[in-house]
Amino acid sequence: DIQMTQFPSTLSASVGDRVTITCRASQSVSSWLAWFQQKPGKAPKLLIYKASSLESGVPSRFSGSGSGTEFALTISSLQPDDIATYYCQQYNLNSPWTFGQGTKVEMK
Amino acid sequence: EVQLVESGGGLVQPGGSLRLSCAASGFSFSNYWLVWVRQTPGEGLEWVATINQVGSEKYYMDSVKGRFTISRDNAENSLSLQMNSLRAEDTALYYCVRVGHFTADQWGQGTLVTVSS
Repeated sequence: DIQMTQFPSTLSASVGDRVTITCRASQSVSSWLAWFQQKPGKAPKLLIYKASSLESGVPSRFSGSGSGTEFALTISSLQPDDIATYYCQQYNLNSPWTFGQGTKVEMK
Repeated sequence: EVQLVESGGGLVQPGGSLRLSCAASGFSFSNYWLVWVRQTPGEGLEWVATINQVGSEKYYMDSVKGRFTISRDNAENSLSLQMNSLRAEDTALYYCVRVGHFTADQWGQGTLVTVSS
């Protein structure tokens, strides 16, 4: 299976900061990469699909980039509502879905 | 509004069985692939099983093959996961998930399965 590694595992930032989370795949997944946001006690929510496409209704401060094995999720200006854990997920065709271990974003 | 509502979780002894259900509404159920994903503090998020629109294609993670069966009823807009020979490591929060944009675009709230004696 394709292994997904996220870093950092925890991130502390202030309101208005630019925040970047990185995700690395153990082999190329082309652009078959999604990002999810999960708040405590809630299900994950899709933010970004196909590496850089913004899901409908998601604020434009969220953006995704990358292809192949290196990807990033950027929050251009951190808001209090963005406090959550973020997961990357690969969905390369003919491979089982796998998720990163998560990055917890905290307010400084 | 898309809704996926899971039920059927609970406490079961090792070796026991449990059937999870997911009631769907707010979209054309028969047009979508569906998935079960589980989450634990230790293993994180894990894909468990996938089923296509008509139930003719089914895929499972290796550790549940031969023990779990995914199925769907398009007339009832429902998805199921029959889990047999349950093990402690199957303890998790199980999510019913719709596949959109080839990934998990809609999630239920989850149902908790605890395997313990």
